[in-house]
Amino acid sequence: QQQVKQSPQSLIVQKGGISIINCAYENTAFDYFPWYQQFPGKGPALLIAIRPDVSEKKEGRFTISFNKSAKQFSLHIMDSQPGDSATYFCAASMNSGYSTLTFGKGTMLLVSP
Amino acid sequence: NAGVTQTPKFQVLKTGQSMTLQCAQDMNHNSMYWYRQDPGMGLRLIYYSASEGTTDKGEVPNGYNVSRLNKREFSLRLESAAPSQTSVYFCASSELQNSPLHFGNGTRLTVT
Repeated sequence: QQQVKQSPQSLIVQKGGISIINCAYENTAFDYFPWYQQFPGKGPALLIAIRPDVSEKKEGRFTISFNKSAKQFSLHIMDSQPGDSATYFCAASMNSGYSTLTFGKGTMLLVSP
Repeated sequence: NAGVTQTPKFQVLKTGQSMTLQCAQDMNHNSMYWYRQDPGMGLRLIYYSASEGTTDKGEVPNGYNVSRLNKREFSLRLESAAPSQTSVYFCASSELQNSPLHFGNGTRLTVT
């Protein structure tokens, strides 16, 4: 049972364009939604995270949009740059009790020059 | 500041061999994790340790054992390696269970 579904699997965007990656979750108890960025040969690193009490969070060129009723959240990368080329993972967890992150399967983003 | 250090970086095993993947963190984090990453499968949790002295199974624990040696170190053991265990293994740590994860750079394991 895949609790966090991520799409697309891969994405090619021109430099300066907007990259959009979507995730959907099933467990309504999830209340923490981070995005991780992974460069080749490296471990994932936290990029940005949101909790469901807000519908949007922005950090620089990166924005998370959150739709609680639809159980969906997405990552938008504005003015995409070649240096943003990486694999992006969404994830979800429950804040209460002992809980671990459930990851989506990842999106490989390529930003062409 | 080293963060999370994994050794070795690469390993090739024959089917049936055993080995231990080592992980150490220097951030005084309470929780530690082992994930495996396979193409198209994302990151799947093998085992985790919420705090020193405790370990719990994750999504894919079969064929693995772990030891939380102390607060800093969390090792993953393959007792009898199988080709299905060919993967990239990541160790991670977090201050608390729902704090951001800090990942090491992985161990690429090939089982022939």
